[in-house]
Amino acid sequence: QSVLTQPPSVSAAPGQKVTISCSGSSSNIAQNFVSWYQQLPGTAPKLLIYEHNERPSGIPARFSGSRSGTSATLGITGLQTGDEADYYCGAWDSSLSGWVFGGGTKLIVL
Amino acid sequence: QLQLQESGPGLVKPSETLSLTCTVSSGSVSSDTYYWGWIRQPPGKGLEWIGNIYYRGTTDYNPSLKSRVSISIDTSKNEFSLRLSSVTAADTAVYYCATYYGSGSFYQYWGRGSLLTVSS
Repeated sequence: QSVLTQPPSVSAAPGQKVTISCSGSSSNIAQNFVSWYQQLPGTAPKLLIYEHNERPSGIPARFSGSRSGTSATLGITGLQTGDEADYYCGAWDSSLSGWVFGGGTKLIVL
Repeated sequence: QLQLQESGPGLVKPSETLSLTCTVSSGSVSSDTYYWGWIRQPPGKGLEWIGNIYYRGTTDYNPSLKSRVSISIDTSKNEFSLRLSSVTAADTAVYYCATYYGSGSFYQYWGRGSLLTVSS
């Protein structure tokens, strides 16, 4: 069972918007930066969002992140079939003195 | 940009020690910008953090693995390594090395991953 909780799957049609939630606690999301990772089938994870809402160079503006209290959210607009992947949130946990990942969310673009 | 490449035996017997190396190119493990980390992913499952090392040798480990794990760094070879002792089938996974940017707290660059199977 992961310290950060994500829905197992979300789905939406091409062109639509989807959000993926990441629920944590006062020792991780509430006080430390959240990042998000995209893992396309058969590949390594790739940094998608860092410091709650910053995008690395090359990541389209369709991807956004936010944090409120002990939860974080990844938003994807203008869905494309190429966005089908597993998405993971992550953060440092000050109580555990270690990094924690969410269990991952599979995005299905119908 | 930084590139990382994992290397390892592919197959390890139960109760033995797993060893993996991550070779860094287009950058230096002696850099004070990054920590160097290991993350694994059992087949069909999610990501699990193993630990990080800083170039000065300070380490952080997953509490659930701490008694069995050791991460070291070799600045002369520009690589860092993972050792996991007393392995079982539950340690079968793809092992990734990655750079951890401590100031912003995120894993920026990832290797392609190395599959380690524990089997007799």
